[in-house]
Amino acid sequence: AQKVTQAQTEISVVEKEDVTLDCVYETRDTTYYLFWYKQPPSGELVFLIRRNSFDEQNEISGRYSWNFQKSTSSFNFTITASQVVDSAVYFCALSDSGGSNYKLTFGKGTLLTVNP
Amino acid sequence: ETGVTQSPTHLIKTRGQQVTLRCSSQSGHNTVSWYQQALGQGPQFIFQYYREEENGRGNFPPRFSGLQFPNYSSELNVNALELDDSALYLCASSPRERTAGELFFGEGSRLTVL
Repeated sequence: AQKVTQAQTEISVVEKEDVTLDCVYETRDTTYYLFWYKQPPSGELVFLIRRNSFDEQNEISGRYSWNFQKSTSSFNFTITASQVVDSAVYFCALSDSGGSNYKLTFGKGTLLTVNP
Repeated sequence: ETGVTQSPTHLIKTRGQQVTLRCSSQSGHNTVSWYQQALGQGPQFIFQYYREEENGRGNFPPRFSGLQFPNYSSELNVNALELDDSALYLCASSPRERTAGELFFGEGSRLTVL
């Protein structure tokens, strides 16, 4: 069975601080996808990134960066120079590459609060 | 491009009642998935629909059922409501041809069961 663990329930930082959100996953599949989604107070989840299990290159997109380490089954997310607008719940998720491509297994989420 | 829209946004029901939630997928998207998100938890996959047929189901009892229509919109029906069904119900759409997992979510329908 697939499982995603986000050990940090809540994180509070001051604007301009860097913050890293941790994600550890479990799967028996050799091919799988990892995701990060953002959920602002309005409720809809917003897709941030997808990585497949064969691509361990780290990725940077503006102030966001992701560190995928297969050896430790981790897919951590770092926000550099955080801003108040980054305040949201962030979810890490996992899916297999088979027929259920749209079935995501989510972690419990990390509530990030960025204070001015 | 119109995004995913869900209705109603909020509703209150009592135990034993039935509820229907509706979802209009984003233009051009032919796959719809439904997720249940309890307070303080991550979303849990209920089922997905493609070409009007259920195509994958999570660990939910048969009283959770759905439909997809020719225009790709969808309904989620829950019978014999229980207190634990209180949650945010999220609909997500995606074009089938797109690489896995990039789902476009609506803002959800918040169901309270008393």
